[in-house]
Amino acid sequence: DVKVTQSSRYLVKRTGEKVFLECVQDMDHENMFWYRQDPGLGLRLIYFSYDVKMKEKGDIPEGYSVSREKKERFSLILESASTNQTSMYLCASSPMGGGDEKLFFGSGTQLSVL
Amino acid sequence: AQKVTQAQTEISVVEKEDVTLDCVYETRDTTYYLFWYKQPPSGELVFLIRRNSFDEQNEISGRYSWNFQKSTSSFNFTITASQVVDSAVYFCALSEGVGFGNEKLTFGTGTRLTIIP
Repeated sequence: DVKVTQSSRYLVKRTGEKVFLECVQDMDHENMFWYRQDPGLGLRLIYFSYDVKMKEKGDIPEGYSVSREKKERFSLILESASTNQTSMYLCASSPMGGGDEKLFFGSGTQLSVL
Repeated sequence: AQKVTQAQTEISVVEKEDVTLDCVYETRDTTYYLFWYKQPPSGELVFLIRRNSFDEQNEISGRYSWNFQKSTSSFNFTITASQVVDSAVYFCALSEGVGFGNEKLTFGTGTRLTIIP
């Protein structure tokens, strides 16, 4: 069974802390994505990556960075967490090409910044 | 820029009723893909369907059906004989282009569907 695993389901952090959200996929997918989900706003793309050590900004990258040192792992970093980054964070992956592209999602990390 | 609008924020229906979730999209591309995802209370988005812009044929999968109309830029989703297990948030999404990068989806704001037993 294909799987995208996010390290934490719930996370509580303090303002100003550096926060790491980890995501691992076991499907050998080239593409990985980080979205945040907020009520009334749907899912918005933060960053994505098409290959190891590659990253591209999404629609709302401010305040975030990412790291992809290995194909299966894509980390989202909040350099200095702020209360407006309280949200549900969703990681996803997809294969490159093949004609049947679709996103596979993890269960999400609900982050609260106090 | 591409945009997806799901005007229905919340819908409640009694079990066994039919229900249609609306999705309207905007894009300048002639080649694009449309998706529907389901997000149950567990949180993980589950893929339901992917349709490319050249295929306007309606699709039926069990109790689920999708109506794609390019003339109105709509990709509506109907659940027939709804069940309590259909209760979830449903997202419509759009990606532009074909090939490299087409997995970068733009999502609508979602419709929360509640099926009342």
